[in-house]
Amino acid sequence: DTAVSQTPKYLVTQMGNDKSIKCEQNLGHDTMYWYKQDSKKFLKIMFSYNNKELIINETVPNRFSPKSPDKAHLNLHINSLELGDSAVYFCASSQARLTGGGITTTEAFFGQGTRLTVV
Amino acid sequence: GQNIDQPTEMTATEGAIVQINCTYQTSGFNGLFWYQQHAGEAPTFLSYNVLDGLEEKGRFSSFLSRSKGYSYLLLKELQMKDSASYLCAVREETTDSWGKLQFGAGTQVVVTP
Repeated sequence: DTAVSQTPKYLVTQMGNDKSIKCEQNLGHDTMYWYKQDSKKFLKIMFSYNNKELIINETVPNRFSPKSPDKAHLNLHINSLELGDSAVYFCASSQARLTGGGITTTEAFFGQGTRLTVV
Repeated sequence: GQNIDQPTEMTATEGAIVQINCTYQTSGFNGLFWYQQHAGEAPTFLSYNVLDGLEEKGRFSSFLSRSKGYSYLLLKELQMKDSASYLCAVREETTDSWGKLQFGAGTQVVVTP
């Protein structure tokens, strides 16, 4: 039973199109993330949601719009796709915990990735 | 911001030991993670250090020195299946960062027969 699953695994599309990637986790976590891994293998955070609320929004073009219908799902919609959007997109989840120093999280569990190729 | 540095590639023989170093410069620190990523797959969690010292988990151990901004991952009794990229990731401070991880570029470990 897959803990964090995202679909599709591969996505090939033309420039200018709009596409969505879906992510679901069955771990009961309350925090979910989208990461982008480029051709140089750097994993960079894009967004994070906690209990359906956006809490981290890195400097990402507003063509990227995440949506969280509930805390088990975090989808990513991309408008007007560009060549530079080609990358592997990973969804991840973790559980937030309140500590004496504030809020922290457990280790993140990653989905299998969506390889997006824009042609 | 964070600067996280780790070697690009390391090669070792089956049965040997390899140590992957990671240095970081951070504006805040709340833990360091090591992940393993096989080609075309998701990163999987290996280890976590938040206090100085060594954490051992089977063939894998991870060490942290916060004062030096330094960590290493030690892989013992290397197996062919250990050929993968190993990612060092620093978690920022808790306030407003919600466990955001900053990743290094990864170290590709190649295990040869």
